Amino acid sequence: SAVISQKPSRDICQRGTSLTIQCQVDSQVTMMFWYRQQPGQSLTLIATANQGSEATYESGFVIDKFPISRPNLTFSTLTVSNMSPEDSSIYLCSVEEARRRTEAFFGQGTRLTVV
Amino acid sequence: KNEVEQSPQNLTAQEGEFITINCSYSVGISALHWLQQHPGGGIVSLFMLSSGKKKHGRLIATINIQEKHSSLHITASHPRDSAVYICAARGSARQLTFGSGTQLTVLP
Repeated sequence: SAVISQKPSRDICQRGTSLTIQCQVDSQVTMMFWYRQQPGQSLTLIATANQGSEATYESGFVIDKFPISRPNLTFSTLTVSNMSPEDSSIYLCSVEEARRRTEAFFGQGTRLTVV
Repeated sequence: KNEVEQSPQNLTAQEGEFITINCSYSVGISALHWLQQHPGGGIVSLFMLSSGKKKHGRLIATINIQEKHSSLHITASHPRDSAVYICAARGSARQLTFGSGTQLTVLP
């Protein structure tokens, strides 16, 4: 199974600043996803990170606010830009392996608090 | 769009009790996942089901495709089982739709 390293695990940030979250996988994966979980809510898909091209964003999420990079098959970053307290959430990356495309693996999450 | 509903929302049990968490979904799926989320936020995948039943230690997951329903059972529950349990349905578009989660607290 894929092992995911997500960093940082938590952070407290000032409003107006940006935070970049990293997701590193120990094997090549076909799909990488970024989710947000607001307090007391279920996980919501932000975007699919596409290798070598622009991410595919879900309704309600835009590239200017959540720029995503995926330079290769094992690494992706999500940036939360110009943060406000409403961005306080858990952010998770999730991956699917090339050989087991219905299996899903998750990172440990980044707990972000914006003050 | 698939709707995924979980029940109960909160569950408190005494150590040793048998626990059942239910999940219903509205449209056909290719797989259903049961996930465990600990207070730090990290998620562990417990099961992926497309039919029948799976067992891992004290955990059992079942799915009834015709009824669009899945259950997660925990036998001989223990305080370390305390966590949020989430079901997630994978539809034809291969995206996951998540339930709202069940907060389980097992008291010693």
